[in-house]
Amino acid sequence: DTEVTQTPKHLVMGMTNKKSLKCEQHMGHRAMYWYKQKAKKPPELMFVYSYEKLSINESVPSRFSPECPNSSLLNLHLHALQPEDSALYLCASSQGRGVGEKLFFGSGTQLSVL
Amino acid sequence: DQQVKQNSPSLSVQEGRISILNCDYTNSMFDYFLWYKKYPAEGPTFLISISSIKDKNEDGRFTVFLNKSAKHLSLHIVPSQPGDSAVYFCAASGAYSGAGSYQLTFGKGTKLSVIP
Repeated sequence: DTEVTQTPKHLVMGMTNKKSLKCEQHMGHRAMYWYKQKAKKPPELMFVYSYEKLSINESVPSRFSPECPNSSLLNLHLHALQPEDSALYLCASSQGRGVGEKLFFGSGTQLSVL
Repeated sequence: DQQVKQNSPSLSVQEGRISILNCDYTNSMFDYFLWYKKYPAEGPTFLISISSIKDKNEDGRFTVFLNKSAKHLSLHIVPSQPGDSAVYFCAASGAYSGAGSYQLTFGKGTKLSVIP
């Protein structure tokens, strides 16, 4: 199994809503990532979890709240988002050894904030 | 400040010919480079990588060349096929500084169109 599974694939939410994005991998990877990608832009790193602990937070606003319940799952909780937060949210995982690794990406959640 | 640059937003190539996608980087601490391929509404898929201790890595139709002195790498696809049409991202990682510090920095991507 070399898949990273993200749900939902599409999400439309209002600015007062609370929603969560989910990500799952069963490759035994110990590092998991959230990236945000806007149209015609490169993926931008948001968070990194290493061995279930948050290791990198790229100055992301607090309306985005990550959670890593266990080594296979990664969530991104969303609250009071703004229309400019509309983007493709990508989850990725890697082995976690930290040297010369490739990241495996999910298909992403296309988020629209109205 | 873009540390990984892909200066060609798009490239069109005839089927069967060679596609050459270019990437430049500015951070001399980068030591591992990857190419990802992305179809619309899908996540990036790993294609090929190269360590800074090498200058060439080949995998089937795909070859990546690294010129460290010029801080430049390129992806060659020979022969190009219509199924190769996608956006190609160059990515780089730097010196490892401890658990959880590993991350990739991406270029803006080049959209490759292979014309039948």
